Amino acid sequence: QVQVVESGGGVVQPGRSLRLSCAASGFTFSSYGMHWVRQAPGKGLEWVAFISYDGSNKYYGDSVKGRLTISRDNSKNTLYLQMNSLRGEDTAVYYCAKALGRDSYEPDDAFDIWGQGTMVTVSS
Amino acid sequence: QLVLTQSPSASASLGASVKLTCTLSSGHSSYAIAWHQQQPEKGPRYLMKLNSDGSHTKGDGIPDRFSGSSSGAERYLTISSLQSDDEADYYCQTWATGIQVFGGGTKLTVL
Repeated sequence: QVQVVESGGGVVQPGRSLRLSCAASGFTFSSYGMHWVRQAPGKGLEWVAFISYDGSNKYYGDSVKGRLTISRDNSKNTLYLQMNSLRGEDTAVYYCAKALGRDSYEPDDAFDIWGQGTMVTVSS
Repeated sequence: QLVLTQSPSASASLGASVKLTCTLSSGHSSYAIAWHQQQPEKGPRYLMKLNSDGSHTKGDGIPDRFSGSSSGAERYLTISSLQSDDEADYYCQTWATGIQVFGGGTKLTVL
């Protein structure tokens, strides 16, 4: 079935780095834009980043620009989020999500598939 | 600035209907949105994409009890024949050039 599964979360000290992965299956991964969305404990959803279907176009939320980097490997059906210079406010569950429309070059559509999330805790 | 506004909470009785509202900020009344459901301790689930004319495209397996409608800058999600597992947070989402925006979510309690 169509699914995405996140991994790589954990506890990390402030200022350190972490890389999240999202493994996709059941659909043609290379034809869809992908997003990362996060949710701090007890809070709502916050969009983090988007990458186009071919990896050539990327957008970021204001709170993560310059520290988080989205990337993908279409040969491995995997999405990544490289998180550098982590702060306490980055503590959240991180979800990957698939864009609804094919050949998405811009983050201009709904998300139709979500993962179960991976928890990142930034604490000393 | 593109903003989505949702009431923090709503409640309705088992078997009844409820209508949740998502309001687009001024100047954005033509925008499409999406509705997502998040049950406790789970990832969000896509319910539907809802256009300004009220037409909507539901996700796979979403029952007919879930429907969407639009009026001006308001986007609605109606859930009929409420069941206990409809108790969840409901988020609306929209998008513009280079950005994605979520509403603050509505926590639905089924009495």
